[in-house]
Amino acid sequence: QVQLVQSGAEVKKPGASVTVSCKASGYTFSGYYMHWVRQAPGQGLEWMGWININSGGTDFAQKFQGRVTMTRDTSISTAYMELSRLRFDDTAVYYCVRNAGYYYMDVWGKGTTVTVSS
Amino acid sequence: QSALTQPASVSGSPGQSITISCTGTSTDVGAYDYVSWYQQHPGKAPKLIIYEVTNRPSGVSNRFSGSKSGYTASLTISGLQADDEADYYCSSYTSSATLIFGGGTKLTVL
Repeated sequence: QVQLVQSGAEVKKPGASVTVSCKASGYTFSGYYMHWVRQAPGQGLEWMGWININSGGTDFAQKFQGRVTMTRDTSISTAYMELSRLRFDDTAVYYCVRNAGYYYMDVWGKGTTVTVSS
Repeated sequence: QSALTQPASVSGSPGQSITISCTGTSTDVGAYDYVSWYQQHPGKAPKLIIYEVTNRPSGVSNRFSGSKSGYTASLTISGLQADDEADYYCSSYTSSATLIFGGGTKLTVL
């Protein structure tokens, strides 16, 4: 079955960086874009950006420009999201999500909790 | 870019119908038929329930339907059931080649 398996929870200090991985299985990895979405505690969903798995091209929400990097390794069907210069308000659950068709998200990972704490 | 505007909460009794609105601008909801809706139960990842304004993925109940008029998209849930109690989010493609979510709506089944 199609699934996205994310890396485990992380605790980071302010100013540090975090990398979350997302391993895909059950479909042709390079045939779909991958979104990254986050959700702060008790808050709504926030789109961070996406990566064209085939070309590696990316687009980001303006809010994250300069602080986020999205990459992929097609040999192991894994996408990565790195967020740098972490702040307390980056504490959130981070989801990788497969894009399907025209700009909608059909398969979600279970999420990775990132806690920024001093 | 600001989030799409959704009511913070809606409620209804079992068997009733409710509608959740999602208001955007001329650069997102008003410009494209690329509005999708997601259902999220507490502690769970969101689930796609409507895509491209009106389409339901396989396996999603036909009690869920979507529409759009101008800058406002809507999600209607008919025949409310207890399990429909969840948070609902709309999303739209934008003219900046990005996506944007609504602030979310908490549905309470009375």
